[in-house]
Amino acid sequence: KNQVEQSPQSLIILEGKNCTLQCNYTVSPFSNLRWYKQDTGRGPVSLTIMTFSENTKSNRRYTATLDADTKQSSLHITASQLSDSASYICVVSGYSSASKIIFGSGTRLSIRP
Amino acid sequence: GAGVSQSPRYKVAKRGQDVALRCDPISGHVSLFWYQQALGQGPEFLTYFQNEAQLDKSGLPSDRFFAERPEGSVSTLKIQRTQQEDSAVYLCASSPGGGERHTQYFGPGTRLTVL
Repeated sequence: KNQVEQSPQSLIILEGKNCTLQCNYTVSPFSNLRWYKQDTGRGPVSLTIMTFSENTKSNRRYTATLDADTKQSSLHITASQLSDSASYICVVSGYSSASKIIFGSGTRLSIRP
Repeated sequence: GAGVSQSPRYKVAKRGQDVALRCDPISGHVSLFWYQQALGQGPEFLTYFQNEAQLDKSGLPSDRFFAERPEGSVSTLKIQRTQQEDSAVYLCASSPGGGERHTQYFGPGTRLTVL
């Protein structure tokens, strides 16, 4: 079983609309959770990072939430733009081990004009 | 400033050939990671260097895979006797500090196709 599960697998929304992407994880012990944006043919780019004690973090039109008790995170995108079309990957890190950096399979988001 | 660069961007190899993939991390970054990303999937950890020391190679799928970072800067991932299942994008990332707490900066990847 994948230790980081994302949903939905893919999503299509109209430009200007909001959307929320989900991430559930089982990685333990937990160090931090990151959301990355990956454009086609490019490497992932970090959007947010949250540690155990943080519930929410915003970066421009992106707002990430974390519930460490239920091991769930969400990424909310406000007023979507065509340039938001990309894969969004949830990454969870365990303590003290580089191999404990677990990537989800990503949500492929498409913004339609 | 310059980000992480990887070369070549695309590599086609015949089954059984050896390949070498290069990663130039951001100058001064201590940590360097290699990942394998299959189509439609998230990256999967291969190996991790802190300076020139390879601290974790638990993700390398077989002994055909070998990575080095001899001077603590540029790294090379070598795959011997390539197989079709090695076809993937190989991503390199660097971070300024050691461990999992620091943000990783990714290169554009090398897309390897084994025929």
